[in-house]
Amino acid sequence: GAGVSQTPSNKVTEKGKYVELRCDPISGHTALYWYRQSLGQGPEFLIYFQGTGAADDSGLPNDRFFAVRPEGSVSTLKIQRTERGDSAVYLCASSPQGGVSYNEQFFGPGTRLTVL
Amino acid sequence: LAKTTQPISMDSYEGQEVNITCSHNNIATNDYITWYQQFPSQGPRFIIQGYKTKVTNEVASLFIPADRKSSTLSLPRVSLSDTAVYYCLVVKAAGNKLTFGGGTRVLVKP
Repeated sequence: GAGVSQTPSNKVTEKGKYVELRCDPISGHTALYWYRQSLGQGPEFLIYFQGTGAADDSGLPNDRFFAVRPEGSVSTLKIQRTERGDSAVYLCASSPQGGVSYNEQFFGPGTRLTVL
Repeated sequence: LAKTTQPISMDSYEGQEVNITCSHNNIATNDYITWYQQFPSQGPRFIIQGYKTKVTNEVASLFIPADRKSSTLSLPRVSLSDTAVYYCLVVKAAGNKLTFGGGTRVLVKP
C-alpha cells in the first residue's frame, strides 16, 4: 500500500521567505509526527498530532515554525522568515495510534530544505 | 528519557554477522528498546523492538540482558544493501515521540 508521502522532495528558498512543507500520512493513521534532520545527525522531534490537534509541540524551535492538520489527515509544516539555520531534511511520520511511542512509526522520504 | 550510547561507525564484509551494542544505563521500568535503520535519502525504518531477553524477526535479532542496561542488535550475514545508519532508541510505553541519537554508520564492503 501507499506509504507516507512528502512534497516537495526538495525546496530551495531565500533567507526571509515563507515555506510550506506537506505530508500525506498513511490512510487511517491517526498520529502524525514531524522531525527535522541535520546532516550527520539523527532526526529531532518537532511536533506530534493526534487527529486534528497538536498534542505535543515542544520540539518546535521558535514561533517561526507552525504546523496544522485541519482534517486529521494531511499536515502542513509552515516556516516563516526562513533562516540559513533552518536548512535540513524535514521528515514526517505516521502511526496507527498516538500516545504509545513503542508503536512503529512509518517515515516518509523527507523534504530537503535549503535556505540560501 | 534514558540516554543511549552506540559506536559511531562499524565496517564489515558481505556474509558476516554484524553486532551493534547500545548502552542505556538509565533505562526505566516501562521503557522499550527500539532500533531503526536509515538509508541515504530515506526516512528511518523500524527494524525491531524488545523489552527483555531475545527478540528475532526476519531482519534481525535483539539481545537484551537481564539488567536491560544495554542491548545488542545482530544482523546475520549482511549484504551490501545493509549499509545504513542504525539507531538505538529507548521509548516510553506511553509516549509520543522518538528521541534519536547519532546512530551507528555501518559500511558493508564486498
